[in-house]
Amino acid sequence: GAGVSQSPSNKVTEKGKDVELRCDPISGHTALYWYRQSLGQGLEFLIYFQGNSAPDKSGLPSDRFSAERTGGSVSTLTIQRTQQEDSAVYLCASSVTGNLNTEAFFGQGTRLTVV
Amino acid sequence: QQQVKQSPQSLIVQKGGISIINCAYENTAFDYFPWYQQFPGKGPALLIAIRPDVSEKKEGRFTISFNKSAKQFSLHIMDSQPGDSATYFCAASKSNYQLIWGAGTKLIIKP
Repeated sequence: GAGVSQSPSNKVTEKGKDVELRCDPISGHTALYWYRQSLGQGLEFLIYFQGNSAPDKSGLPSDRFSAERTGGSVSTLTIQRTQQEDSAVYLCASSVTGNLNTEAFFGQGTRLTVV
Repeated sequence: QQQVKQSPQSLIVQKGGISIINCAYENTAFDYFPWYQQFPGKGPALLIAIRPDVSEKKEGRFTISFNKSAKQFSLHIMDSQPGDSATYFCAASKSNYQLIWGAGTKLIIKP
């Protein structure tokens, strides 16, 4: 595709349920990032992938959060036993390399609401 | 040390005026300072970026001013237009993959 694609655009889930958020990066981009954006806040780094490996997952808030990337392409962010504080917009970005000399392109985000 | 402090939180400017958004940082190891523009329902998009070896960078109506000694940088939008109404984020990095973000400024340009 032409840009980074995220699905679903919106997700409403009940507290305690598991959710999966999907990111399709730009073809050929080796680096992929997940961020969380809460209302009125800046972006919070969650995890960084280079290819299929995650050199830095230090931003994942708890062990309820996990992410994987397969085939150097699609990534899935999974949140288990969702809590209300998990409500936020989850943004995915990709770049040609992991060096910020190359621009990171963002998807439109998944708005997660935990009720 | 990892924080980037952005101000103001919101800003209203008349069409044709100059919009100024400021950011300050603590970590002197930061060497890449981008500004992102985000429209409602969209992801952020890179607007302009600067490295600390220059004090100013201009692209069209957008200018970054950088003060290394004060550890501050700012975005100036000249001749502000209603289409510039968006949320603007400053960020900083040590030129690796991880950006540290400001909290954002919601800019409204009044026609």
